[in-house]
Amino acid sequence: DAGVIQSPRHEVTEMGQEVTLRCKPISGHDYLFWYRQTMMRGLELLIYFNNNVPIDDSGMPEDRFSAKMPNASFSTLKIQPSEPRDSAVYFCASSEGQEEETQYFGPGTRLLVL
Amino acid sequence: AQTVTQSQPEMSVQEAETVTLSCTYDTSENNYYLFWYKQPPSRQMILVIRQEAYKQQNATENRFSVNFQKAAKSFSLKISDSQLGDTAMYFCAFMKPSYSGAGSYQLTFGKGTKLSVIP
Repeated sequence: DAGVIQSPRHEVTEMGQEVTLRCKPISGHDYLFWYRQTMMRGLELLIYFNNNVPIDDSGMPEDRFSAKMPNASFSTLKIQPSEPRDSAVYFCASSEGQEEETQYFGPGTRLLVL
Repeated sequence: AQTVTQSQPEMSVQEAETVTLSCTYDTSENNYYLFWYKQPPSRQMILVIRQEAYKQQNATENRFSVNFQKAAKSFSLKISDSQLGDTAMYFCAFMKPSYSGAGSYQLTFGKGTKLSVIP
């Protein structure tokens, strides 16, 4: 299996622009997670999905952030409008569920908002 | 809420030697999962090892093993025969099981330990 795939790997944008991060989970995995990693706050869970349905979005920082999972093989995390404090590494992870709890991470997207 | 503490921000070890990274956690759950993830300079998060709390036997994966002390809420990682490729940030993480309701499936991470393997 190719593992969790994320794109783009790097994104540089200007404040106020819309940013869309993409993720393809491992085939057959029922759970998908979005994390953010910063020096100040470490790794934080933003939102997770089960069978394409958002289960817990309490970690989403504010309304500028939104996430969708239109089908089992694709998810997006959108920031609109972006701000410099959104600069971070964003990880997508997936797990089988069904008591197989291990989460497998993608390579991450490094976002820099100028 | 669960908390995970890694008290060693940085550590170093000579190549081929053994090193132990510490992790403690706080929870009121009886069943849960614990993980060690490795993050090399490439930033990829790589699973190193996992432990189910209901299993008394310590998990091992080749050169990596854990010392799981449930009563003490301690979960240390031992790396034997350290290699240059082991240089990375190591994160300890806690997860409630899926049947725990709110907060299940969420990984709670420690702040990490930066390990440097010296040739």
